[in-house]
Amino acid sequence: KAGVTQTPRYLIKTRGQQVTLSCSPISGHRSVSWYQQTPGQGLQFLFEYFSETQRNKGNFPGRFSGRQFSNSRSEMNVSTLELGDSALYLCASSSDLRSSGNTIYFGEGSWLTVV
Amino acid sequence: TQLLEQSPQFLSIQEGENLTVYCNSSSVFSSLQWYRQEPGEGPVLLVTVVTGGEVKKLKRLTFQFGDARKDSSLHITAAQPGDTGLYLCAGGSGNQFYFGTGTSLTVIP
Repeated sequence: KAGVTQTPRYLIKTRGQQVTLSCSPISGHRSVSWYQQTPGQGLQFLFEYFSETQRNKGNFPGRFSGRQFSNSRSEMNVSTLELGDSALYLCASSSDLRSSGNTIYFGEGSWLTVV
Repeated sequence: TQLLEQSPQFLSIQEGENLTVYCNSSSVFSSLQWYRQEPGEGPVLLVTVVTGGEVKKLKRLTFQFGDARKDSSLHITAAQPGDTGLYLCAGGSGNQFYFGTGTSLTVIP
């Protein structure tokens, strides 16, 4: 079956702009989580959605937001971009993170460069 | 606070050598995953372990979950250049996964 699909793969934005990234999870998966990866900080958890509800949120400012649609597709938005937001943004899906032994599967990521 | 500490952080070895990467925590996890990530790509799942003391083998890779489900190790036998990449462990707890600091492995032909 198809894996996790993220779009766009690469994008360049200017400071102060906003960006929306999209993620289509594996068919049948209802949990979608987002991560930011940078060389200095590694993988940092942003938030997790399940059945259109945000269940958990990492320690990021309010400029980072997300949502999930009824078909489990998810979007994340970053407003008022800063240079430090340049990173690889990864989406991961699973059937339900709360299930014991569950596994998350990652998309290829969206490379965001803020100039 | 980093829940999962990986060691070593960087590793450069010759083709054919063996190596072990460690993933340690003071927290108990319901499951633990290992991923390999190549530059510019998303992490790719290698294995999931859920039972304390569990050992799984994937060709030349051997994964072990600690008895107390707080730590794990990844052993690679006869490393190949294709094993080069960033190895990440991740522990599942509640509705979140916590990622290790990563081990960057370079296998020199």
